[in-house]
Amino acid sequence: SAVISQKPSRDICQRGTSLTIQCQVDSQVTMMFWYRQQPGQSLTLIATANQGSEATYESGFVIDKFPISRPNLTFSTLTVSNMSPEDSSIYLCSVEEGRAKNIQYFGAGTRLSVL
Amino acid sequence: KQEVTQIPAALSVPEGENLVLNCSFTDSAIYNLQWFRQDPGKGLTSLLLIQSSQREQTSGRLNASLDKSSGRSTLYIAASQPGDSATYLCAVRPGSTLTFGKGTMLLVSP
Repeated sequence: SAVISQKPSRDICQRGTSLTIQCQVDSQVTMMFWYRQQPGQSLTLIATANQGSEATYESGFVIDKFPISRPNLTFSTLTVSNMSPEDSSIYLCSVEEGRAKNIQYFGAGTRLSVL
Repeated sequence: KQEVTQIPAALSVPEGENLVLNCSFTDSAIYNLQWFRQDPGKGLTSLLLIQSSQREQTSGRLNASLDKSSGRSTLYIAASQPGDSATYLCAVRPGSTLTFGKGTMLLVSP
């Protein structure tokens, strides 16, 4: 199974600032995903990031607020821009391994608190 | 729009009990269903994946079933242990992405 490293594991940020979250995978993968888990809620997909193309955002999420980079097949970043307390969540990176019958694997997540 | 519901939202059992977690989904057109475990402050661990053509999958003390026509899946945990305490999430894959339920928070007491 893929091993996913996310940085930072947690952060406390001030309103109006931005935070970039990094996701590193130990193998080359085509599809990477970014999810948000708000307190007491389930996971919601923010966007799908494929190498060499623009990220595809889900309804309710926009590139200006959550810009994503995918420079190669093992790395991606998600930036949470102009943060407000409503952005306090766990952000998770995920990859899909087609060889393993389309199983999705997740990183440990980034716990973000915005004051 | 696919919706996934998990019942119960929380469950507390004594060690050694067998238990069943339920997951239902509204659209039966899925590729697969995946059960995850989430420990506090940590990411998700994949437990079992059932392809749409399969009826069940087993791993150790865990058994997951899938009835696609009725939009239901169950996760059976045999002889529960305190280490099984976690939130269990069900997710279905209607396309290239997953749709998650809110999870069942399980507490197994010694």
